[in-house]
Amino acid sequence: NAGVTQTPKFQVLKTGQSMTLQCAQDMNHNSMYWYRQDPGMGLRLIYYSASEGTTDKGEVPNGYNVSRLNKREFSLRLESAAPSQTSVYFCASSEGTGAPYEQYFGPGTRLTVT
Amino acid sequence: ILNVEQSPQSLHVQEGDSTNFTCSFPSSNFYALHWYRWETAKSPEALFVMTLNGDEKKKGRISATLNTKEGYSYLYIKGSQPEDSATYLCALHNAGGTSYGKLTFGQGTILTVHP
Repeated sequence: NAGVTQTPKFQVLKTGQSMTLQCAQDMNHNSMYWYRQDPGMGLRLIYYSASEGTTDKGEVPNGYNVSRLNKREFSLRLESAAPSQTSVYFCASSEGTGAPYEQYFGPGTRLTVT
Repeated sequence: ILNVEQSPQSLHVQEGDSTNFTCSFPSSNFYALHWYRWETAKSPEALFVMTLNGDEKKKGRISATLNTKEGYSYLYIKGSQPEDSATYLCALHNAGGTSYGKLTFGQGTILTVHP
């Protein structure tokens, strides 16, 4: 099992460009999450999907959109990238949100916006 | 926004030392407390998920305790080894209102174990 995979691993964008970060899991998990990690800030939740067909905002959703394409895949889109979105992005999945299930994280995408 | 605080921010110990660090969180609407270990250039991996007041969990040389009434959890490492060097994250799973189903992470404690 690959677990949680993310593409790309690295990306450099110019301000105003758009891109989509892809995430997939092969653990048959119901819930998926997108976090960003900035120095001194810890992991902050951007959006999450409790189950296929649902998405909800996290702590820092502005400037992002998400799509839960199917049970396996959850993508994060930056419509018009800004330097403030320079960060490391992690996707995670868990069996569900209604019980204290641990989250499994992908390897991360390092994004730089110039 | 829930406030999850970890202390200290960083810690340097010698191989063989035992060490501990703290995670503090609001005690109202508590649901679960997670501990994750995050090695450099890797992704966070779950160590423990704790739900009950007084809970104590152990995995090898690492153990954790939980006090939900006063809102804190301790992580202990006995006989630290260089391979224990990592960032240790705690995360609160809160049952209140819009927090339900989401984890709020602390900023982490960076542990460096010197040979």
